[in-house]
Amino acid sequence: NAGVTQTPKFQVLKTGQSMTLQCAQDMNHNSMYWYRQDPGMGLRLIYYSASEGTTDKGEVPNGYNVSRLNKREFSLRLESAAPSQTSVYFCASSDDTLNTEAFFGQGTRLTVV
Amino acid sequence: ELKVEQNPLFLSMQEGKNYTIYCNYSTTSDRLYWYRQDPGKSLESLFVLLSNGAVKQEGRLMASLDTKARLSTLHITAAVHDLSATYFCAVDMWGNTPLVFGKGTRLSVIA
Repeated sequence: NAGVTQTPKFQVLKTGQSMTLQCAQDMNHNSMYWYRQDPGMGLRLIYYSASEGTTDKGEVPNGYNVSRLNKREFSLRLESAAPSQTSVYFCASSDDTLNTEAFFGQGTRLTVV
Repeated sequence: ELKVEQNPLFLSMQEGKNYTIYCNYSTTSDRLYWYRQDPGKSLESLFVLLSNGAVKQEGRLMASLDTKARLSTLHITAAVHDLSATYFCAVDMWGNTPLVFGKGTRLSVIA
């Protein structure tokens, strides 16, 4: 049972490069999320998707775009990476039937130089 | 806007001692979640508290929720080294909105 799978696990980008972080869940969850984690800041929501075909901005959406490709997959794109986007990125999903307990992927450690 | 505050942010405990981590939140909610994160790892769900007065226990950890005070506590009993980790609380509002996280409490249990 894979749960939430993120790729890649590590990435180094040069300023201005673009990349897409991939996320897939096999739990048939409706909602999916992208958070970033920075030292001393906890987890901050970038974007989320409450269902296939819908996306909404979170607390820190600037510089990012997302796509909810289908119920399983939710990708995060950095169009022009900046050093301020150096962070650990977590994808998560939740069922929402009874509560919003989120299940997290293993994270992507991104460094922008 | 929902704000979640944890304290302390850093905690160094001796093995065998007891301590409590506090989580306050700013708006009405009766759903609170506790997570654990080991260094370099992902977040693991510990407790889901879904009503006022809810109490859950797992091993040396016990979590409780007081929705009137907008306060949850995570109590550690007779700490052991294996409990060293960062603990996060998170809250959602009515309508299955995304979780809002506190900044985390980094716990270090020393001999």
